[in-house]
Amino acid sequence: EPEVTQTPSHQVTQMGQEVILRCVPISNHLYFYWYRQILGQKVEFLVSFYNNEISEKSEIFDDQFSVERPDGSNFTLKIRSTKLEDSAMYFCASSYGRFPETQYFGPGTRLLVL
Amino acid sequence: ILNVEQSPQSLHVQEGDSTNFTCSFPSSNFYALHWYRWETAKSPEALFVMTLNGDEKKKGRISATLNTKEGYSYLYIKGSQPEDSATYLCACIIQGAQKLVFGQGTRLTINP
Repeated sequence: EPEVTQTPSHQVTQMGQEVILRCVPISNHLYFYWYRQILGQKVEFLVSFYNNEISEKSEIFDDQFSVERPDGSNFTLKIRSTKLEDSAMYFCASSYGRFPETQYFGPGTRLLVL
Repeated sequence: ILNVEQSPQSLHVQEGDSTNFTCSFPSSNFYALHWYRWETAKSPEALFVMTLNGDEKKKGRISATLNTKEGYSYLYIKGSQPEDSATYLCACIIQGAQKLVFGQGTRLTINP
């Protein structure tokens, strides 16, 4: 069964460093998303992406964040200058169509900023 | 701001017993509700997508109902098994939005 994959599974970085989180969505999916869960809090939406552009973003998704689909298979989230409060589990998701189509989630990347 | 609440936050159930838990959401501008099952270190697994008031969905021993007028959904598990131990997440979408808004989850532990 097709699945969303994410790499790395864990990443530790120093505050102020750039990180890139990678996702390979399901191959025929057209809509892509990033969510995150800070420990002890709810899963929260970051950004949705369709047709090579951002279709919606949350107020969390400021200028420090960017997304890209560089080669038609990968979908990346870049954090330019990490802060302590960026420590979280980051989930990528994809869907074939718009809502209410099911979003399929990857296993997440646990990011720890020291 | 759309606020989705789940209760209880955690639940311990004896193997073989049935259980249920709740997801509450504002009924205005409701579009759809998703249920996910999330085991530690795995991807959240989609269980159900529900859109219509009165919807009932079933997948094996797990079923869900939706009441959009009063703003709640129930998830039922019949004859709990140890493999049902997981966190169950609900997430809502409001009309015009492109994002899921999650509840805090119900952590279910099945005691053998």
